[in-house]
Amino acid sequence: QSALTQPASVSGSPGQSITISCTGTSSDVGGYNYVSWYQQHPGKAPKLLIYDVSNRPSGVSNRFSGSTSGNTASLTISGLQAEDEADYYCSSYTSSSTPIVIFGGGTKLTVL
Amino acid sequence: EVQLVESGGGLVQPGGSLRLSCAASGFTFSSYWMSWVRQAPGKGLEWVANIKQDGSEKYYVDSVKGRFTISRDNAKNSLYLQMNSLRAEDTAVYYCARSTDFWSGYQIDYWGQGTLVTVSS
Repeated sequence: QSALTQPASVSGSPGQSITISCTGTSSDVGGYNYVSWYQQHPGKAPKLLIYDVSNRPSGVSNRFSGSTSGNTASLTISGLQAEDEADYYCSSYTSSSTPIVIFGGGTKLTVL
Repeated sequence: EVQLVESGGGLVQPGGSLRLSCAASGFTFSSYWMSWVRQAPGKGLEWVANIKQDGSEKYYVDSVKGRFTISRDNAKNSLYLQMNSLRAEDTAVYYCARSTDFWSGYQIDYWGQGTLVTVSS
Protein backbone atom coordinates (compact mmCIF):
# COMPACT_ATOMS: atom_id res chain seq x y z
CA GLN A 1 0.00 0.00 0.00
CA SER A 2 1.61 3.27 -1.11
CA ALA A 3 1.66 6.36 1.03
CA LEU A 4 -0.70 9.21 0.31
CA THR A 5 0.83 11.85 -1.98
CA GLN A 6 1.65 15.28 -0.56
CA PRO A 7 3.80 18.08 -2.01
CA ALA A 8 7.25 18.04 -0.44
CA SER A 9 7.13 21.72 0.40
CA VAL A 10 4.95 24.80 0.36
CA SER A 11 5.63 28.36 1.44
CA GLY A 12 3.77 31.55 2.20
CA SER A 13 4.17 34.95 3.79
CA PRO A 14 2.71 35.94 7.14
CA GLY A 15 -0.99 36.70 6.84
CA GLN A 16 -1.43 34.73 3.63
CA SER A 17 -3.31 31.46 3.16
CA ILE A 18 -1.84 28.21 1.89
CA THR A 19 -3.30 24.83 0.99
CA ILE A 20 -1.64 21.44 1.26
CA SER A 21 -3.05 18.61 -0.83
CA CYS A 22 -3.15 14.90 -0.01
CA THR A 23 -4.01 12.53 -2.84
CA GLY A 24 -5.06 8.94 -2.37
CA THR A 25 -7.49 6.51 -3.95
CA SER A 26 -11.09 5.40 -3.63
CA SER A 27 -9.90 2.82 -1.08
CA ASP A 28 -8.80 5.50 1.35
CA VAL A 29 -9.23 9.28 1.03
CA GLY A 30 -11.98 9.05 -1.58
CA GLY A 31 -13.90 6.28 0.11
CA TYR A 32 -14.13 7.31 3.74
CA ASN A 33 -14.45 10.46 5.84
CA TYR A 34 -11.55 9.32 8.00
CA VAL A 35 -8.87 11.80 6.98
CA SER A 36 -6.73 13.40 9.68
CA TRP A 37 -4.06 16.09 9.55
CA TYR A 38 -1.09 16.46 11.90
CA GLN A 39 1.42 19.22 12.60
CA GLN A 40 4.94 18.30 13.66
CA HIS A 41 7.58 20.75 14.78
CA PRO A 42 11.25 19.60 14.67
CA GLY A 43 12.05 17.13 17.42
CA LYS A 44 8.47 17.06 18.65
CA ALA A 45 5.61 14.61 18.49
CA PRO A 46 2.85 15.12 15.91
CA LYS A 47 -0.22 17.06 17.00
CA LEU A 48 -3.74 16.43 15.69
CA LEU A 49 -5.13 19.41 13.76
CA ILE A 50 -8.08 17.95 11.84
CA TYR A 51 -10.06 14.69 12.07
CA ASP A 52 -12.95 13.28 10.07
CA VAL A 53 -11.84 15.42 7.09
CA SER A 54 -12.90 18.78 8.49
CA ASN A 55 -13.37 18.69 12.26
CA ARG A 56 -11.04 20.53 14.64
CA PRO A 57 -10.27 19.19 18.12
CA SER A 58 -10.84 21.55 21.01
CA GLY A 59 -7.99 24.04 21.28
CA VAL A 60 -6.95 24.00 17.62
CA SER A 61 -7.12 27.39 15.94
CA ASN A 62 -9.91 27.99 13.44
CA ARG A 63 -7.19 29.15 11.03
CA PHE A 64 -6.83 25.45 10.19
CA SER A 65 -9.51 23.87 8.01
CA GLY A 66 -9.88 20.65 6.05
CA SER A 67 -11.88 19.42 3.08
CA THR A 68 -11.99 16.71 0.44
CA SER A 69 -12.83 16.49 -3.26
CA GLY A 70 -12.82 13.07 -4.84
CA ASN A 71 -9.62 11.26 -3.88
CA THR A 72 -7.86 14.42 -2.67
CA ALA A 73 -7.98 15.94 0.79
CA SER A 74 -6.78 19.44 1.54
CA LEU A 75 -5.57 21.36 4.57
CA THR A 76 -5.87 25.14 4.42
CA ILE A 77 -4.05 27.42 6.84
CA SER A 78 -5.24 31.00 6.79
CA GLY A 79 -3.56 34.04 8.32
CA LEU A 80 -0.14 32.36 8.28
CA GLN A 81 1.97 32.91 11.38
CA ALA A 82 5.64 32.22 12.01
CA GLU A 83 4.80 29.42 14.43
CA ASP A 84 2.96 27.56 11.66
CA GLU A 85 6.33 26.67 10.13
CA ALA A 86 6.42 22.88 10.57
CA ASP A 87 5.89 19.57 8.81
CA TYR A 88 2.31 18.55 8.03
CA TYR A 89 1.08 15.01 7.49
CA CYS A 90 -2.24 13.68 6.26
CA SER A 91 -3.55 10.28 7.24
CA SER A 92 -6.43 8.08 6.18
CA TYR A 93 -8.06 4.77 6.92
CA THR A 94 -7.57 2.33 4.05
CA SER A 95 -9.65 -0.70 3.14
CA SER A 96 -7.07 -2.12 0.73
CA SER A 97 -5.17 -4.28 3.19
CA THR A 98 -2.89 -3.76 6.12
CA PRO A 99 -1.64 -1.21 6.91
CA ILE A 100 -5.10 -0.05 7.83
CA VAL A 101 -3.86 3.47 8.43
CA ILE A 102 -1.66 5.21 5.88
CA PHE A 103 0.15 8.54 6.04
CA GLY A 104 1.23 11.03 3.45
CA GLY A 105 4.91 11.63 2.92
CA GLY A 106 4.71 14.99 4.68
CA THR A 107 4.88 18.62 3.58
CA LYS A 108 7.37 21.15 4.90
CA LEU A 109 5.72 24.54 5.36
CA THR A 110 8.04 27.52 5.27
CA VAL A 111 6.77 30.90 6.44
CA LEU A 112 8.77 33.47 4.50
CA GLU B 1 -4.73 15.56 30.54
CA VAL B 2 -3.88 12.65 28.25
CA GLN B 3 -0.29 11.51 28.69
CA LEU B 4 1.58 8.78 26.85
CA VAL B 5 5.15 8.09 27.92
CA GLU B 6 7.29 5.65 25.94
CA SER B 7 10.39 3.88 27.20
CA GLY B 8 12.66 1.02 26.22
CA GLY B 9 14.38 2.39 23.16
CA GLY B 10 18.11 2.17 22.59
CA LEU B 11 20.90 0.74 20.47
CA VAL B 12 20.56 -2.90 19.41
CA GLN B 13 22.48 -5.06 16.96
CA PRO B 14 20.85 -6.41 13.79
CA GLY B 15 18.96 -9.59 14.63
CA GLY B 16 18.47 -8.49 18.22
CA SER B 17 15.34 -7.80 20.25
CA LEU B 18 13.87 -4.88 22.14
CA ARG B 19 10.65 -4.31 24.07
CA LEU B 20 9.06 -0.89 24.05
CA SER B 21 6.62 0.21 26.73
CA CYS B 22 4.10 3.02 26.88
CA ALA B 23 2.55 4.24 30.13
CA ALA B 24 -0.83 5.89 29.65
CA SER B 25 -2.64 8.27 31.97
CA GLY B 26 -5.35 10.90 31.93
CA PHE B 27 -7.97 8.75 30.20
CA THR B 28 -9.66 5.36 30.51
CA PHE B 29 -6.99 3.26 28.81
CA SER B 30 -9.16 0.16 28.51
CA SER B 31 -11.71 2.05 26.38
CA TYR B 32 -9.39 2.85 23.48
CA TRP B 33 -7.62 1.18 20.61
CA MET B 34 -3.89 1.92 20.81
CA SER B 35 -1.25 2.16 18.09
CA TRP B 36 2.46 2.30 17.43
CA VAL B 37 3.71 4.65 14.71
CA ARG B 38 7.36 5.08 13.72
CA GLN B 39 9.42 7.73 12.00
CA ALA B 40 12.82 6.94 10.52
CA PRO B 41 15.40 9.74 10.83
CA GLY B 42 14.50 12.55 8.46
CA LYS B 43 11.55 10.60 7.05
CA GLY B 44 7.77 10.57 7.33
CA LEU B 45 5.38 8.76 9.61
CA GLU B 46 4.64 5.05 9.21
CA TRP B 47 1.85 3.22 11.01
CA VAL B 48 3.23 0.01 12.55
CA ALA B 49 0.50 -1.76 14.50
CA ASN B 50 -2.64 -1.34 16.56
CA ILE B 51 -4.60 -3.30 19.14
CA LYS B 52 -8.21 -3.40 20.23
CA GLN B 53 -9.35 -2.43 23.70
CA ASP B 54 -9.37 -6.01 25.01
CA GLY B 55 -6.41 -7.20 22.94
CA SER B 56 -8.57 -9.52 20.82
CA GLU B 57 -7.70 -7.83 17.51
CA LYS B 58 -4.26 -6.79 16.34
CA TYR B 59 -3.08 -5.45 12.98
CA TYR B 60 0.43 -4.95 11.64
CA VAL B 61 2.12 -3.34 8.67
CA ASP B 62 3.46 -6.05 6.37
CA SER B 63 7.12 -5.19 6.98
CA VAL B 64 6.93 -6.15 10.67
CA LYS B 65 4.52 -9.10 10.55
CA GLY B 66 6.04 -12.14 12.24
CA ARG B 67 8.74 -10.03 13.91
CA PHE B 68 6.85 -7.51 16.06
CA THR B 69 4.10 -8.19 18.60
CA ILE B 70 1.82 -5.55 20.06
CA SER B 71 0.21 -6.18 23.43
CA ARG B 72 -1.37 -4.33 26.33
CA ASP B 73 -2.05 -4.66 30.05
CA ASN B 74 -5.19 -2.73 30.93
CA ALA B 75 -4.61 -3.25 34.67
CA LYS B 76 -1.31 -1.40 34.33
CA ASN B 77 -2.52 1.15 31.72
CA SER B 78 0.35 0.04 29.54
CA LEU B 79 1.01 -0.71 25.88
CA TYR B 80 3.94 -2.76 24.60
CA LEU B 81 5.78 -3.54 21.39
CA GLN B 82 8.01 -6.59 21.36
CA MET B 83 10.45 -6.25 18.46
CA ASN B 84 12.45 -9.30 17.36
CA SER B 85 14.82 -9.96 14.45
CA LEU B 86 15.50 -6.25 14.20
CA ARG B 87 16.88 -4.81 10.98
CA ALA B 88 18.66 -1.59 10.14
CA GLU B 89 15.50 -0.35 8.43
CA ASP B 90 13.64 -0.56 11.75
CA THR B 91 15.73 2.35 13.04
CA ALA B 92 13.24 5.06 13.96
CA VAL B 93 11.55 7.03 16.67
CA TYR B 94 8.62 4.91 17.84
CA TYR B 95 5.51 6.74 19.00
CA CYS B 96 2.76 5.33 21.19
CA ALA B 97 -0.60 6.75 20.13
CA ARG B 98 -4.24 6.65 21.15
CA SER B 99 -6.66 5.69 18.39
CA THR B 100 -10.34 5.70 17.64
CA ASP B 101 -12.04 2.46 16.66
CA PHE B 102 -13.03 0.92 13.31
CA TRP B 103 -16.23 3.02 13.13
CA SER B 104 -14.08 6.16 13.25
CA GLY B 105 -11.32 4.89 10.99
CA TYR B 106 -8.68 4.22 13.65
CA GLN B 107 -7.70 7.90 13.62
CA ILE B 108 -4.97 8.90 16.05
CA ASP B 109 -5.76 11.74 18.43
CA TYR B 110 -2.90 11.74 20.98
CA TRP B 111 0.77 10.90 20.64
CA GLY B 112 3.58 10.22 23.09
CA GLN B 113 6.93 11.98 22.82
CA GLY B 114 8.58 8.94 21.20
CA THR B 115 11.50 6.66 21.94
CA LEU B 116 14.44 6.16 19.59
CA VAL B 117 15.38 2.68 18.41
CA THR B 118 18.71 2.36 16.60
CA VAL B 119 19.61 -0.92 14.93
CA SER B 120 23.29 -0.99 14.12
CA SER B 121 26.40 -3.09 14.62
